[in-house]
This record gives sequence, structure tokens and C-alpha cells, in this order.
Amino acid sequence: DAEITQSPRHKITETGRQVTLACHQTWNHNNMFWYRQDLGHGLRLIHYSYGVHDTNKGEVSDGYSVSRSNTEDLPLTLESAASSQTSVYFCASSESNQGGQETQYFGPGTRLLVL
Amino acid sequence: AQTVTQSQPEMSVQEAETVTLSCTYDTSENNYYLFWYKQPPSRQMILVIRQEAYKQQNATENRFSVNFQKAAKSFSLKISDSQLGDTAMYFCALLNTNAGKSTFGDGTTLTVKP
Repeated sequence: DAEITQSPRHKITETGRQVTLACHQTWNHNNMFWYRQDLGHGLRLIHYSYGVHDTNKGEVSDGYSVSRSNTEDLPLTLESAASSQTSVYFCASSESNQGGQETQYFGPGTRLLVL
Repeated sequence: AQTVTQSQPEMSVQEAETVTLSCTYDTSENNYYLFWYKQPPSRQMILVIRQEAYKQQNATENRFSVNFQKAAKSFSLKISDSQLGDTAMYFCALLNTNAGKSTFGDGTTLTVKP
């Protein structure tokens, strides 16, 4: 079955270190998204991509970067981790149709703790 | 800009009873989808139900149904015959189909009591 996976599921790092979170989907979806979810709140969009070599900033993109070299993967990089980036990170993917974007399907999440 | 508001941070319901979670939204778009997602303690996001804005008929998925009032920009979720496994945080979300970006509410924590 097609799926979307994230790795690692849990990560502890120190401030100032570079961290990369992986997201891999096997649905062949064009669109991929990264969100963060802070305790007790909804999801906020970090970056998104509509296809290979396309990347766009979301509402909370500062301190994060993404690259899309193939359809299946959208890794999220924290250039210099900060304690404020401690959060749960969700990757999602969706397909496009003639009416626009379709339902997003979410990965299991990555819990990141920055000490 | 689009917004999603869930005004009930916490709710509880007795097992087997019915509960309704509220959601209001604002968007200038005509083409959009609305969703309810469930997030159990495992933190995974699970799609519960979705509604296309152009459809007048309310979506239904087994025990879950919505009351979509487009003019009022209201999108409530009704859970019938509540089960202990329904205990979770529920998020309302709006997807702008043209831009492909979703906006989420802050969530409602639902507790089903035995």
C-alpha cells in the first residue's frame, strides 16, 4: 500500500546543530508539505512544494529550508537548531486535479527536542 | 488570508451519546474543502471527514457527520454513539484548492467518558 513515512520519529539535538528530517511518500503525489505543531495547537505551515525543484515558504519558514529533487522526498532542514524549534513536525502530501488541490494525507510525525 | 476558529478547547461526552464540535472559518475563496482531522494521543493525524464547498449535501462517514452552513461559514462535526476510542483532539481545517494550502484551527480536545 502507498504510504507516507517520516524519519526519525524522535530526535534530540543541541542548539546550533543542523538537523534534517526526512519525508518519503509512495503515492506519487505532486504536492508535499511540512507543518509544525506546538503543544495544544493546530498545525502551522513551514514549507511546501508543488513538484520537483519547486519550493515555497509557508507562514513559519524562518530557520527552515527544503529541497525537492524527486517526487517522493521532501527533506526539511533546520540550519541551526533553536530551542523555539522544539515541536512535532508533520509531513503531508496531496495530489492535484482539475479542481485544484486534493486532500492532504499526513505522515506519523517527528518529535524534535532542541536542548 | 483565511482563518479557522474552534471556540471549544475542551469537551466531554458520555459513551454512546452524541456530541457536536463547532468550527467557523473565513475565506475569500469560492473553491475550498473543509476537513475534520482526529489526533489521538499517538499524535498521528487521521482524516475523519471532508466536505467540498460546492456541495450542498452534508458529508457523512458512518457515525461522523457534518453540518455545513456555507453562508454562515460554519462547519460543525457531529459524532453519534460516541465510543471510548473517539477520545482525541479534533482539528478543523480549510484547504484553499487554488493555492493548495491548509489552515488549521487550534483544536478541540474531546474526552469520551465510560
